[in-house]
Amino acid sequence: GNSVTQMEGPVTLSEEAFLTINCTYTATGYPSLFWYVQYPGEGLQLLLKATKADDKGSNKGFEATYRKETTSFHLEKGSVQVSDSAVYFCALRVDSGYSTLTFGKGTMLLVSP
Amino acid sequence: ETGVTQSPTHLIKTRGQQVTLRCSSQSGHNTVSWYQQALGQGPQFIFQYYREEENGRGNFPPRFSGLQFPNYSSELNVNALELDDSALYLCASSAQTSGKETQYFGPGTRLLVL
Repeated sequence: GNSVTQMEGPVTLSEEAFLTINCTYTATGYPSLFWYVQYPGEGLQLLLKATKADDKGSNKGFEATYRKETTSFHLEKGSVQVSDSAVYFCALRVDSGYSTLTFGKGTMLLVSP
Repeated sequence: ETGVTQSPTHLIKTRGQQVTLRCSSQSGHNTVSWYQQALGQGPQFIFQYYREEENGRGNFPPRFSGLQFPNYSSELNVNALELDDSALYLCASSAQTSGKETQYFGPGTRLLVL
């Protein structure tokens, strides 16, 4: 089956620190990979995506590279801000008949001033 | 702002009752998916509707059912509520043509079952 494993949180950083959130996956087909962000009390927002191996998704200073050889899609940001505090979800989608997202459990990021 | 809205935002029900949650998709989005997000967990796929018919279902019992309407709105119905049904319910819409379109999520409905 399909599954996503994320590093456990919370990840606690000071403002302007470097961020890495690890994500690995198992998929029966050739997945597309996503990072979604959820701010407190809100739904999910798409942060970035990559649809094939070696693609790099990027948005708002965040980036992640689709690594097929290591089945990984780690999220990185060079300098985090307090406003980046949220829960980050890694997800995959395998398109077969119908497409649905399989999510990891989420990683909470807390950034202090 | 994804253009996907959900109502109500919060809801409290008692065990055994029935509930209907609503979602309004972006215009032109012919596919809607529903997810259940328990506290501290990632969203779990409930089912998907494409052009008003269910075309995929996750590991949820039949008391979870849905409808999709021609005006891009949809409903999630849950019968015989159980305490474990307490969760955030998210709908996501997409314009399914090639199967690779991005899903856009609504803000969710938080359901508490007492």
